[in-house]
Amino acid sequence: GQNIDQPTEMTATEGAIVQINCTYQTSGFNGLFWYQQHAGEAPTFLSYNVLDGLEEKGRFSSFLSRSKGYSYLLLKELQMKDSASYLCAAVDSNYQLIWGAGTKLIIKP
Amino acid sequence: GAVVSQHPSWVICKSGTSVKIECRSLDFQATTMFWYRQFPKQSLMLMATSNEGSKATYEQGVEKDKFLINHASLTLSTLTVTSAHPEDSSFYICSARDREVGNQPQHFGDGTRLSIL
Repeated sequence: GQNIDQPTEMTATEGAIVQINCTYQTSGFNGLFWYQQHAGEAPTFLSYNVLDGLEEKGRFSSFLSRSKGYSYLLLKELQMKDSASYLCAAVDSNYQLIWGAGTKLIIKP
Repeated sequence: GAVVSQHPSWVICKSGTSVKIECRSLDFQATTMFWYRQFPKQSLMLMATSNEGSKATYEQGVEKDKFLINHASLTLSTLTVTSAHPEDSSFYICSARDREVGNQPQHFGDGTRLSIL
C-alpha cells in the first residue's frame, strides 16, 4: 500500500533551525511536495522535489533521497509565524497526491 | 501565480439544507480539480477528483449521492452537499492543477467552513 510518515508534532525555539522528516512508500514516484497550513486556513505550496538533493528557497530548504524514500524540510531562523502544520505529499505513478497527516510545528520564544 | 477562488468562505445552515460550494481557477485552465475535507486537528482527506466533462472519481467511503460534484467547464467545479446534517460540518477545500504534469503543484482555494446546526 501507499504510505507517508511524518512526526505528529515538533517544538522549536525562535531563531533556531528545525528539520521535519518525511518517509514515503508509493506506487511509482513523481516527486514530493511540502505545503504549509496555518490553523483554519488552506495549505500553501512551499516546495517540490523530484531529483535527489537539496533545494534551497530562502529560509526554507527541502531535501530528497529517492533511493531511501525520504525527504526533509529544513526551516532556518525560525520565526513565530512559522508555527503551522507542515504537510508532506508524494506524487504516485498516476500523478495523484498521497498526503501525510502533517507535522504540527510549535515555535516558542 | 496561479489563483484558485473558493466561495463561500463560511456557511451556517439548518440540518436538511443543501449547500453548494464553488471552486474557480482564475488564471489557468484546470482539467482536474480536487475536493478535500478536513476535520479539526486532522489531515486533509481527499473526497473526490473532479474531471472536466466527465464524472467525478470518488474515494472509498464518500457517498456520491451525498456529495454531488459538477465540473462543467475548465475553470469551475462545484460541490453540493445534499441534505446536510451536523456530521457534515467540516472544512471543505478545493484545489486545482493547470496541467496533467506531476511537477505542477496543486493550488488550493481558501476553503469553506461548513457548520450545520
